Amino acid sequence: SQQGEEDPQALSIQEGENATMNCSYKTSINNLQWYRQNSGRGLVHLILIRSNEREKHSGRLRVTLDTSKKSSSLLITASRAADTASYFCATDTGTYKYIFGTGTRLKVLA
Amino acid sequence: SQTIHQWPATLVQPVGSPLSLECTVEGTSNPNLYWYRQAAGRGLQLLFYSVGIGQISSEVPQNLSASRPQDRQFILSSKKLLLSDSGFYLCAWSPWDRDSGANVLTFGAGSRLTVL
Repeated sequence: SQQGEEDPQALSIQEGENATMNCSYKTSINNLQWYRQNSGRGLVHLILIRSNEREKHSGRLRVTLDTSKKSSSLLITASRAADTASYFCATDTGTYKYIFGTGTRLKVLA
Repeated sequence: SQTIHQWPATLVQPVGSPLSLECTVEGTSNPNLYWYRQAAGRGLQLLFYSVGIGQISSEVPQNLSASRPQDRQFILSSKKLLLSDSGFYLCAWSPWDRDSGANVLTFGAGSRLTVL
């Protein structure tokens, strides 16, 4: 399979809590990107972390990358109902291809 | 400004009928273009990508084909649809993102195909 894996597949939390989702991939990468998809819509880019970086922050988003384990995590702090969406990681291997994980469906309860 | 358009948004087709989905990008030249398919509740599967006119790379052998007749136009086609072709089809291009310092994907709104 060309896809990476994400876990959990689904996550339900209360507003104000933190949400953590994980991504594993299979090949060497130039960078790893996280995207968000609202139901029935196209994906929107959130944040990118390069292969030589270990952690990156953007607003309420924190991404980590462990290239030795071929894994990444996305943390959303102080979640809001509007964060309800599916979240996907995608790897850029430098070959023009972007390979997506299976996604995590996040539901934030108000 | 740079925008991506994808149509039709929704279509219902009988098995064995042809398919044509169209994607165009405005405000740029020589974009890298992509077609992805998303089955219900699943991840994205890369179908085709193109780094220039007439250059199409296929990732998954299947009932579909892609063409790039113009620089900013990417078309996904099938001569005879199968039930398994149902899904959400997404076109994307990869502009340079200054904040990231790398190319990232910008997606169209998607085309939902139901084959009956």
